[in-house]
Amino acid sequence: KQEVTQIPAALSVPEGENLVLNCSFTDSAIYNLQWFRQDPGKGLTSLLLIQSSQREQTSGRLNASLDKSSGRSTLYIAASQPGDSATYLCADSNTGNQFYFGTGTSLTVIP
Amino acid sequence: DTGVSQDPRHKITKRGQNVTFRCDPISEHNRLYWYRQTLGQGPEFLTYFQNEAQLEKSRLLSDRFSAERPKGSFSTLEIQRTEQGDSAMYLCASSFGGLKFFGPGTRLTVL
Repeated sequence: KQEVTQIPAALSVPEGENLVLNCSFTDSAIYNLQWFRQDPGKGLTSLLLIQSSQREQTSGRLNASLDKSSGRSTLYIAASQPGDSATYLCADSNTGNQFYFGTGTSLTVIP
Repeated sequence: DTGVSQDPRHKITKRGQNVTFRCDPISEHNRLYWYRQTLGQGPEFLTYFQNEAQLEKSRLLSDRFSAERPKGSFSTLEIQRTEQGDSAMYLCASSFGGLKFFGPGTRLTVL
């Protein structure tokens, strides 16, 4: 079974700081990996999807990278804002169907 | 709103009762997924449909759980004889291709 780990579990940063969230997975034979954001008590908002053939994806202030050989993905958030405060989850899939999720990184951006 | 919708958003029931949740995916999406999320954990895969066919089921989906997707549109998830351990957020997602979009979830509380 694919194991997905996210470190750190929680992170607090001052507004304006650039930050990196980490995601590691045990099986390098992944099909794709997706990053999500979850606000308290809410569903998941899709951020970025990286296919196994890709190295990175960018959307606005967000950049996600994928290194299959080392079993790692990172989510880079530039110029963080208080509105970025949420839990960030990564999930990968071997088939493109069933996703294996990490337990998330809870981010707090302090004004 | 053309996103994934779920109904109800909250459900409180007594142990032993049956409950049914509904998910309406994004209209052109042929794949539909159900996940369960408990507090502080990432979502766990329950089952997946491609059109009306249920193609994958997790071992988490005991015989008290049944999911349907008649006509390949909306889906229902029924839990029979609910137990306190069924208390969780039930999330539905849909996709056409790799990117998955999640609904707001149904929070189930079993008393």
